[in-house]
Amino acid sequence: QQPVQSPQAVILREGEDAVINCSSSKALYSVHWYRQKHGEAPIFLMILLKGGEQKGHDKISASFNEKKQQSSLYLTASQLSYSGTYFCGTELVNRDDKIIFGKGTRLHILP
Amino acid sequence: DAGVTQSPTHLIKTRGQQVTLRCSPKSGHDTVSWYQQALGQGPQFIFQYYEEEERQRGNFPDRFSGHQFPNYSSELNVNALLLGDSALYLCASSPEDFGLDRDTQYFGPGTRLTVL
Repeated sequence: QQPVQSPQAVILREGEDAVINCSSSKALYSVHWYRQKHGEAPIFLMILLKGGEQKGHDKISASFNEKKQQSSLYLTASQLSYSGTYFCGTELVNRDDKIIFGKGTRLHILP
Repeated sequence: DAGVTQSPTHLIKTRGQQVTLRCSPKSGHDTVSWYQQALGQGPQFIFQYYEEEERQRGNFPDRFSGHQFPNYSSELNVNALLLGDSALYLCASSPEDFGLDRDTQYFGPGTRLTVL
């Protein structure tokens, strides 16, 4: 039931856009997005709930397609600080409060 | 407001030994989850504690055990260490029903365990 993330890695130039996808074979209640920089703990970005709207802050937003059990994270006009590994975590519709993480997407932003 | 804290930061053990890792949750959080993160991988769920009881468990052997104290802090114990147990161990805290609160888990800085 581990979600599948794609792509595995992305290299962008500063100012370019990126999309990271997360899909599950199980019905989901929520999707959580985190960013982790090397040697640091994952930092929470946002949560999307079943029945919720698309969310975002600054130039990072996300959507959740309940029918397809898919979520996408959108990074607009990327900045150097966006570099890191992005993880999606999913909670199943049975609301067990257990988050299962994907393997991550490595994002590298070049100046 | 202190976030999630973990101790120690780093630990080196040899095969067969036992280790205890500690976690203090964020203020106002009563649920603690433990994750193992191998190099280059996503965090893998070990187990979750709420009201001093193990509420959920991932696919980890019984060598991995835990405890939660009345003040919500938690310990992760690993017995009979194997080389494959080398990883970053992350603790995350959350309110009891974080979905409804639109909250989520907040991670501590982790404990880097090396088994030689």
